[in-house]
Amino acid sequence: IAGITQAPTSQILAAGRRMTLRCTQDMRHNAMYWYRQDLGLGLRLIHYSNTAGTTGKGEVPDGYSVSRANTDDFPLTLASAVPSQTSVYFCASSGTGLSTDTQYFGPGTRLTVL
Amino acid sequence: DAKTTQPPSMDCAEGRAANLPCNHSTISGNEYVYWYRQIHSQGPQYIIHGLKNNETNEMASLIITEDRKSSTLILPHATLRDTAVYYCIVRVGANNLFFGTGTRLTVIP
Repeated sequence: IAGITQAPTSQILAAGRRMTLRCTQDMRHNAMYWYRQDLGLGLRLIHYSNTAGTTGKGEVPDGYSVSRANTDDFPLTLASAVPSQTSVYFCASSGTGLSTDTQYFGPGTRLTVL
Repeated sequence: DAKTTQPPSMDCAEGRAANLPCNHSTISGNEYVYWYRQIHSQGPQYIIHGLKNNETNEMASLIITEDRKSSTLILPHATLRDTAVYYCIVRVGANNLFFGTGTRLTVIP
């Protein structure tokens, strides 16, 4: 069982370009999440999905969009990247969206926008 | 979610117990205390969580005070591989873990 995989591992992107970060989990978890982590800071929630077909906004959603067409995949799209989106992006999943449910994190994608 | 306060850094000798404190004085009755850690630039790793009773698992123990305004994560025999940033999170909402800046624990040989 791989758990959560993210791709790419790292990416350098020109400002204004479109980019999709991929996240796949094989644990059949209902809930999935995207966080960003800026240097020296904790993680901040971008978007989440409690179940396939539904999504919600987190703390810092502007400039990002997500979709949840099936249980396993939760891609994050930057429609037109800007340098302030340079960050490490972590995908996570949990069995349900309940507050008692543990979130499990992927290895992260390091994105640099120039 | 309630705010948490942690010391920015701590050192611990290898083989000794590491006791990481967390203050959460505004915690509500239905808010859980979660601990995660992040080793270098890896994804955060779940350690333990609790509501009001002390908890223990294979990784650590969690001691929550009776008034629930603070808690302590205990790593009973710290190893070099326990060097990481440890996050204390108080969570009531379903969809978000509010990470602060955590405590950077350095285990010293």
